[in-house]
Order: sequence, then structure tokens, then C-alpha cells
Amino acid sequence: QLQLQESGPGLVKPSETLSLTCTVSGASISSSSYYWGWIRQPPGRGLEWIGSIYYSGSTYYNPSLKSRVTISVDTSNNQFSLTLSSVTAADTAVYYCARFRRSGSYSFDYWGQGTLVTVSS
Amino acid sequence: EIVLTQSPGTLSLSPGERATLSCRASQSVSSSYLAWYQQKPGQAPRLLIYGASSRATGIPDRFGGSGSGTDFTLTISRLEPEDFAVYYCQQYGTSLWTFGQGTKVEIK
Repeated sequence: QLQLQESGPGLVKPSETLSLTCTVSGASISSSSYYWGWIRQPPGRGLEWIGSIYYSGSTYYNPSLKSRVTISVDTSNNQFSLTLSSVTAADTAVYYCARFRRSGSYSFDYWGQGTLVTVSS
Repeated sequence: EIVLTQSPGTLSLSPGERATLSCRASQSVSSSYLAWYQQKPGQAPRLLIYGASSRATGIPDRFGGSGSGTDFTLTISRLEPEDFAVYYCQQYGTSLWTFGQGTKVEIK
């Protein structure tokens, strides 16, 4: 059974860097069939794609966040990570990691439960 | 960047009624790359439909998807109590992913 689990601080100060990790269990992150993505959802609002990564390290970012976002992959630990720099209150959101199937369904078919990150001093 | 616009913002219906949700793209989207998700409060989104019209594993057949080009539709033939939720469309293209803003289906 595939599971994704987000982890990281729930509180980040303004202007600092948000860092989250997604641990994948039940499947290899090194599969050529998938991208691995980060999506966020501010309280009471809709979903926003942040970025995606392939196991080789190729990355794809939302143009509106690109200057502040870095996504990396650690195949040895079956994890991928998100860093978002210079955060403000507008970055307060539930952050989800998810698997995107690159063939067949071309969709996010598995999601983590999400983790709330609050930006506040 | 392709923008997805969902309508209506809120749909107020009774159990047993038919729900029709729209997703319009700012430019043509390959049907293969259009998906729909359901999200209930406090939960992660769940994949409902991929490839514009194929149901994901375990999704009941009262959920149907259709459309092509710039206009896509999610239909729930007869609303069950558990179907009241927020629904999002999502597209993938040229290494960019976007979501619509969502349609809330609420109990009338």
C-alpha cells in the first residue's frame, strides 16, 4: 500500500525558509513512471501546484513561486523535499505531497495527508 | 500557463439530484491530461476522473466526466450524502500543472 507522509516544522517565522520532506513508502521513488509533486492549500481556499520532481532530479516549478522554491529528491531514503524561502503570511497553508503518474492516468493518484504550516512571528 | 475556470462556484442541490460541474481552460488541453478530484473537509483530495472521462479505481459509476479542447464537465448522476464536497479540475501540460479554483457542492 503506497503511503506518502509529509514532515517538517508547523511554524515558520516571516522571512525565513520553510522546509518539508515527503517520505514515500510502499513504492520506489526511483520509478520512471512517476513525478513527485508538492501542492498547497491556504486555509479556506483552493489547491495550488508548487512544483514537481522526477527521480533523476529534473524539476518543474510554478512560475509564480519559482524564484523561492527548490525541490530535491533523495532516492536512497525514498524521500523528496521542498524548500520555500522568504516566507510571508501568504505562505500559510496545508502542504501536500503527491504522486503524479506520467503515463496512463496523468494525474495525482496518491496524496499525503497534508501538513499545516503557519507563518507567524 | 493554462488557467482553468470552474463554474459555478457553489452548487446547492438535494440528495438524489443531478450535479453538473464545468471546467473551462484558457487554451486547449489534451483530454489525456485533464483530471477531477474530490475533497472533503480536513482530507486530502481524492482522484475521481482521469483522462477527462475515465473513473479512478473504486469510484462509483454515478461519477462521469466528459469534454474536450477547452470545455470539460463532471457529472454526478444522483447525489449521495457523501458526495457533498469540493471538486477540482486539474490539467497537465508542457511540464506545468494547474488546478481550477473549485466548485463546492452543498446540500440545499
